[in-house]
Amino acid sequence: ETAVFQTPNYHVTQVGNEVSFNCKQTLGHDTMYWYKQDSKKLLKIMFSYNNKQLIVNETVPRRFSPQSSDKAHLNLRIKSVEPEDSAVYLCASSPRTGGLNQDTQYFGPGTRLLVL
Amino acid sequence: GDSVTQTEGQVTVSESKSLIINCTYSATSIGYPNLFWYVRYPGEGLQLLLKVITAGQKGSSRGFEATYNKEATSFHLQKASVQESDSAVYYCALNTEGADRLTFGKGTQLIIQP
Repeated sequence: ETAVFQTPNYHVTQVGNEVSFNCKQTLGHDTMYWYKQDSKKLLKIMFSYNNKQLIVNETVPRRFSPQSSDKAHLNLRIKSVEPEDSAVYLCASSPRTGGLNQDTQYFGPGTRLLVL
Repeated sequence: GDSVTQTEGQVTVSESKSLIINCTYSATSIGYPNLFWYVRYPGEGLQLLLKVITAGQKGSSRGFEATYNKEATSFHLQKASVQESDSAVYYCALNTEGADRLTFGKGTQLIIQP
């Protein structure tokens, strides 16, 4: 099966803990993304990687760090979570990047994080 | 920066009636953006419904249509006759030249009444 897979589906943790989310795509794409969907349902880009190279790094707190071991994997680590980190984190991939990117982005099911 | 506005957070339509979900956009880069509608069905991931990359063109999929109106900077989603299976959250989005990301609207939840 070719798709974008995310683990875990749901994670509950306490303020100050470290969490890590995994994303794997089996579509053979070169570019992967992390988006955050907050409580107001707004989806915003956080990071984008092309062939293991960081190409988009929006203004996110430094406690967020993406990690890419190869072009099929893009994990997200959050050191010392805060209550405002409670959200759904969506991973996506697309065939290529650069220029006027017409390529469709394919999304995973998301990881819901609840910080108590 | 770029922005996408969906004015309705929720729309309720009776089965077999027509639907329109509004989307307007603002893009700051030179040239026209690519426009997309994504959909999230209950229990599933976000998936592309349709896209249009040329101003003035219409995209269609699964009975849904959207026309790229550059004068009105709009990309409204329409369907002539909705079904219960259309219940989902619909997101309008765009990307622009040099921007390696999608900019999304807040989404519109479509509820179909039997």
